[in-house]
Amino acid sequence: DAGITQSPRHKVTETGTPVTLRCHQTENHRYMYWYRQDPGHGLRLIHYSYGVKDTDKGEVSDGYSVSRSKTEDFLLTLESATSSQTSVYFCAISEPRTETQYFGPGTRLLVL
Amino acid sequence: EDKVVQSPLSLVVHEGDTVTLNCSYEVTNFRSLLWYKQEKKAPTFLFMLTSSGIEKKSGRLSSILDKKELFSILNITATQTGDSAIYLCAVVKGKLIFGQGTTLQVKP
Repeated sequence: DAGITQSPRHKVTETGTPVTLRCHQTENHRYMYWYRQDPGHGLRLIHYSYGVKDTDKGEVSDGYSVSRSKTEDFLLTLESATSSQTSVYFCAISEPRTETQYFGPGTRLLVL
Repeated sequence: EDKVVQSPLSLVVHEGDTVTLNCSYEVTNFRSLLWYKQEKKAPTFLFMLTSSGIEKKSGRLSSILDKKELFSILNITATQTGDSAIYLCAVVKGKLIFGQGTTLQVKP
C-alpha cells in the first residue's frame, strides 16, 4: 500500500463549524489530491496540489480551501461546514511521470 | 464537457458467473484510462490502458480499450464473493475524470 494516511478517519460536526482534514504521505510524491465520494456521483475532485504552495481548484471546490506547506502534508478545510458537505473524503497522490493515483483510507464526515 | 459513464450502475451475479462492466467516455485527447476496485475502503488500482486493442490481464480480470468506439470493458471470469465491490473507471486528462462506478455483488 502507498504510504498515505488521513486524519481523522471519522468526524461528526455541526453546521457552521470549521473542519480541517489532513492527508499525510511518506512517498515524497509531488502531486496530491482531495476528492469527495457520494452515491451516484463517483469520485469528484475538490482541489489538488502540484507542489508545495502550488494548488488549484477541481470541479467541486466551492466551500473548500486547501494548503500545502510541506511535501508530505495536504490539508483540506471546510471554512463553515454545511450538511451538503457530508461525504467520504479521499486523498490521493501521484507522480508527474505516471498517471496512476493511489488513494488514502478516507475520512467519513457527517455534518449535522 | 468531458464525461465518463459506467454501466450498469449495479449488478448482482452468482459465484462462477462471468461479468462485463462497461465504461464509455466523451473525452478528447486523453492519455490513458484507469480501472479501480473499491471495497469498503479506498479505491485500489487495477489496470491502466493506453493503447487501443491491447488487452491487460491479471488473473481472472481483464480489460481492453477501444479508442475508436470510445469505451473500455472490464471482464471478470469465474466470479467469487471477494469480487464484490464498486468498480471505477477514470480517464486521465491532466486530472482524473471518474465515472459513477458499478456496484457488483457476487452471491454464493
